[in-house]
Amino acid sequence: AQTVTQSQPEMSVQEAETVTLSCTYDTSESNYYLFWYKQPPSRQMILVIRQEAYKQQNATENRFSVNFQKAAKSFSLKISDSQLGDTAMYFCAFMDSNYQLIWGAGTKLIIKP
Amino acid sequence: DGGITQSPKYLFRKEGQNVTLSCEQNLNHDAMYWYRQDPGQGLRLIYYSQIVNDFQKGDIAEGYSVSREKKESFPLTVTSAQKNPTAFYLCASSIVQGWEQYFGPGTRLTVT
Repeated sequence: AQTVTQSQPEMSVQEAETVTLSCTYDTSESNYYLFWYKQPPSRQMILVIRQEAYKQQNATENRFSVNFQKAAKSFSLKISDSQLGDTAMYFCAFMDSNYQLIWGAGTKLIIKP
Repeated sequence: DGGITQSPKYLFRKEGQNVTLSCEQNLNHDAMYWYRQDPGQGLRLIYYSQIVNDFQKGDIAEGYSVSREKKESFPLTVTSAQKNPTAFYLCASSIVQGWEQYFGPGTRLTVT
């Protein structure tokens, strides 16, 4: 069975620092998609970034970037110049060949002023 | 504004009662999904629908039912057969199955 593991239940950093959230996954498939979603205290799930497995280039969205290591099955999220509004739960998700999303348990990120 | 709406935000029911959660989208998306979220866990898929009048069970469909009579609407009924219905329920949609999913604000259901 395919699984997604987020090994950091909670992290906290000072505002303006850079933070990296880790995610590993297990699959035998070669073509798939990976996502990071953010869930702030409002509980609205928001798409942060998407990565296609066939692309070697790491995806970037403004202050958010990923380090995708396909051989290692690793998909970490880097947040640069962190802001108070980045405080949220962050979920890593893997989309399998049946187009189903498999979710990690989440990492709670706290940005301190 | 385009988006996904879920109502109500909070819902309380007595054990043994069926309850229906609403999900509406005006994004013209073909695919819609229902997830359940419990503390300390990732989302789990209950049901999904790729087109009108068609839907498939997800990983935890037991005790739930859905309908997809209109493209815009995908209501979820939590039946009395669901053993542990208290949870946060999220509805999502995507252009078609396989594209990124966009989520509604969720409904917190409490059954006592």
